[in-house]
Amino acid sequence: DTEVTQTPKHLVMGMTNKKSLKCEQHMGHRAMYWYKQKAKKPPELMFVYSYEKLSINESVPSRFSPECPNSSLLNLHLHALQPEDSALYLCASSQDYPVNQPQHFGDGTRLSIL
Amino acid sequence: GESVGLHLPTLSVQEGDNSIINCAYSNSASDYFIWYKQESGKGPQFIIDIRSNMDKRQGQRVTVLLNKTVKHLSLQIAATQPGDSAVYFCAENNNNDMRFGAGTRLTVKP
Repeated sequence: DTEVTQTPKHLVMGMTNKKSLKCEQHMGHRAMYWYKQKAKKPPELMFVYSYEKLSINESVPSRFSPECPNSSLLNLHLHALQPEDSALYLCASSQDYPVNQPQHFGDGTRLSIL
Repeated sequence: GESVGLHLPTLSVQEGDNSIINCAYSNSASDYFIWYKQESGKGPQFIIDIRSNMDKRQGQRVTVLLNKTVKHLSLQIAATQPGDSAVYFCAENNNNDMRFGAGTRLTVKP
């Protein structure tokens, strides 16, 4: 079992829907990350939160909106997504940031946009 | 036609043999490297890491080798088992920018 928990595991939504992905860790890590992974490709970094503040936004479209309510939780709010946004969305955490240390990944939310 | 990157590089080995997975990294200033294993339907799982001031590090059944001269990283798995079948990613960190390599699919034949 992974120490980073992501919900839901699967999500199907239309292009006009609003939904949220959730991520939780209780390892006391102070850095949390969102990645996007397309089939047969490596994970691509989207956002980094360090001490609950957004540190990195890798030029992600505004239809993706991250939120870090506290040090254990990370959300990704979705609105007006496009079919090309269908992918596996991975959350990760590490002790702190910068990342000269392993990241712990959840098993992801598989998102399908109709 | 097909475009580069649609198919992962693959490595097929017999159970019990040793496996070597290679990775060419891009930035000579990268100072930290990680190998991750990703099984089907799961997130990447940390295997082993190495800092740029080392050229070899060993774990349980795994060894990572770093050759900074040619910007090459390798993962050696001893006595490969069916449970080792997965996609393996190397990742490099340069100035807080962690980037993943393309990945290699390892298949272990019984």
